[in-house]
Amino acid sequence: GAVVSQHPSWVICKSGTSVKIECRSLDFQATTMFWYRQFPKQSLMLMATSNEGSKATYEQGVEKDKFLINHASLTLSTLTVTSAHPEDSSFYICSARDPGLAGGVDIQYFGAGTRLSVL
Amino acid sequence: AQSVSQHNHHVILSEAASLELGCNYSYGGTVNLFWYVQYPGQHLQLLLKYFSGDPLVKGIKGFEAEFIKSKFSFNLRKPSVQWSDTAEYFCAVNPEGGSYIPTFGRGTSLIVHP
Repeated sequence: GAVVSQHPSWVICKSGTSVKIECRSLDFQATTMFWYRQFPKQSLMLMATSNEGSKATYEQGVEKDKFLINHASLTLSTLTVTSAHPEDSSFYICSARDPGLAGGVDIQYFGAGTRLSVL
Repeated sequence: AQSVSQHNHHVILSEAASLELGCNYSYGGTVNLFWYVQYPGQHLQLLLKYFSGDPLVKGIKGFEAEFIKSKFSFNLRKPSVQWSDTAEYFCAVNPEGGSYIPTFGRGTSLIVHP
């Protein structure tokens, strides 16, 4: 299946610093990528939809100035957590939509996730 | 808006036991249904999917799921689990023709004892 690479897998940072997380589709072009947040023992919460060449669409309650998303190319989307605080510590997961399947059926492929720990 | 309910949050089984994980959704229209699996330390992987046709869907690693439209259910089954099936399992629903952003259930943690 298609591969989505997410980097870094784990980052520890001081409070007040910014952290950038990259999400790459390795063998397909992803016009749309998604960013999720996963709290321990809970489901994935969609944060935003990232569209190549346009502004991201944020879900209700997600601060767009806090979580900056850039989808500059068909294979790369980045999530920057600005001025991170301990409450931002979480597991962030990206996914990419591969529309190029037989029958036009959409499948999402997920990155391995990034564990962010803010001290 | 649609919602997904996974009733079993934690399941502990011995090897060779049979598995059934419940998934119910609330949405009145046609849906696409998915089961994802997340092995410890790994990313989410698609286990199986249902879009149309035969409501009994076969997935990888011996898993299957049955879509029962009248019950709004898409339960995951495996006749004989293995220790390597220890993982987190997520059911997801996406209304057909919608925004192709699936709604996920909260997940079921499966532990299989050898």
